[in-house]
Amino acid sequence: EPEVTQTPSHQVTQMGQEVILRCVPISNHLYFYWYRQILGQKVEFLVSFYNNEISEKSEIFDDQFSVERPDGSNFTLKIRSTKLEDSAMYFCASRSRESQETQYFGPGTRLLVL
Amino acid sequence: AQRVTQPEKLLSVFKGAPVELKCNYSYSGSPELFWYVQYSRQRLQLLLRHISRESIKGFTADLNKGETSFHLKKPFAQEEDSAMYYCALRRNSGNTPLVFGKGTRLSVIA
Repeated sequence: EPEVTQTPSHQVTQMGQEVILRCVPISNHLYFYWYRQILGQKVEFLVSFYNNEISEKSEIFDDQFSVERPDGSNFTLKIRSTKLEDSAMYFCASRSRESQETQYFGPGTRLLVL
Repeated sequence: AQRVTQPEKLLSVFKGAPVELKCNYSYSGSPELFWYVQYSRQRLQLLLRHISRESIKGFTADLNKGETSFHLKKPFAQEEDSAMYYCALRRNSGNTPLVFGKGTRLSVIA
């Protein structure tokens, strides 16, 4: 069964550094999402993406964040200048056009900002 | 704004006992409700959704609009049900994101 994949599984970075988190959605999916979960807190929506543009973004998704679909398979989340509070588990999700309800999640990237 | 509340952080039950994981929501419109499960070291996966009214792995959940609840139930818990369970809501329009509750960790004791 096809799955969403994410790389890396873990990343440690210094405060102020840029990080890029990568996701490969399921191949026929057209809608993509990023969520994050700070340790001990709820999963929070960051941004949704469709047809090469952002559909919706949350208050968390400020100017330090950007998303891109650089080719036909990858979907990336970039944090330009990381802060300590960006430390979290970042989940990518995708869904097909036909299934409005079901989002399929990747295994997550654990980001630690020191 | 939408909100999902799961009042219990941890729920421990004995194997064979009934399980009820509580979920309440607030949303002025017509929501879609879901339960996601995350087993140890695995990804979040959809367990069930209210619109399909299905039973998955013995779990059911009924949307109660009067009480704004979507509690997850199973008559007889199994050890393999031990996991983190998240209730989630989605606005019923367009490409809208999921709003999650904080999750309840279910521990089934042998």
